[in-house]
Amino acid sequence: GNSVTQMEGPVTLSEEAFLTINCTYTATGYPSLFWYVQYPGEGLQLLLKATKADDKGSNKGFEATYRKETTSFHLEKGSVQVSDSAVYFCALSVSSGSARQLTFGSGTQLTVLP
Amino acid sequence: EPEVTQTPSHQVTQMGQEVILRCVPISNHLYFYWYRQILGQKVEFLVSFYNNEISEKSEIFDDQFSVERPDGSNFTLKIRSTKLEDSAMYFCAGAQVGGRGNEQFFGPGTRLTVL
Repeated sequence: GNSVTQMEGPVTLSEEAFLTINCTYTATGYPSLFWYVQYPGEGLQLLLKATKADDKGSNKGFEATYRKETTSFHLEKGSVQVSDSAVYFCALSVSSGSARQLTFGSGTQLTVLP
Repeated sequence: EPEVTQTPSHQVTQMGQEVILRCVPISNHLYFYWYRQILGQKVEFLVSFYNNEISEKSEIFDDQFSVERPDGSNFTLKIRSTKLEDSAMYFCAGAQVGGRGNEQFFGPGTRLTVL
């Protein structure tokens, strides 16, 4: 089956620190990979995505590279801000049926301190 | 910017009661989804809906659950007889296209508490 394993949280960093949140996956078929972010009181928002091996998704200073050889899609940011405090979800979608549901990891709570 | 809305934000119900969770997707979306997240656990897929019928459903989506798009704008999830273990945050999502690389837009969620 399909599954996503995410780094356990919570993660607490100081402003301007480097962030890595690890994500690995198993999938039947060729998945697309996503990072979603959930700010307090809000729904899940797409942060970035990659649809094929070696693609790099990037947005708002966050990056993740689709590594097929290590089945990973780690999220990185060079310098976090207080406003990045949120829960981050790694997810995948595979080709099965016409409506591609997402399989999520357990989420990683990030708190950035000033 | 258009967004997905969900009502109510919090629903408290007694075990055995029926609940209907409502979602208004973005108007040009064609694919619709329900997910849930039990406190402290993963976000789990429940069901997808396209062209007025269920496309896929998970093992969680048993006979107690049903979905409907009654009027072309609302998308509802009904739980016929709630159980304690149905307590969770329920998220509605929509997508313009169903391809595997396409973005799903999520609502803010409804927190369901079953007593």
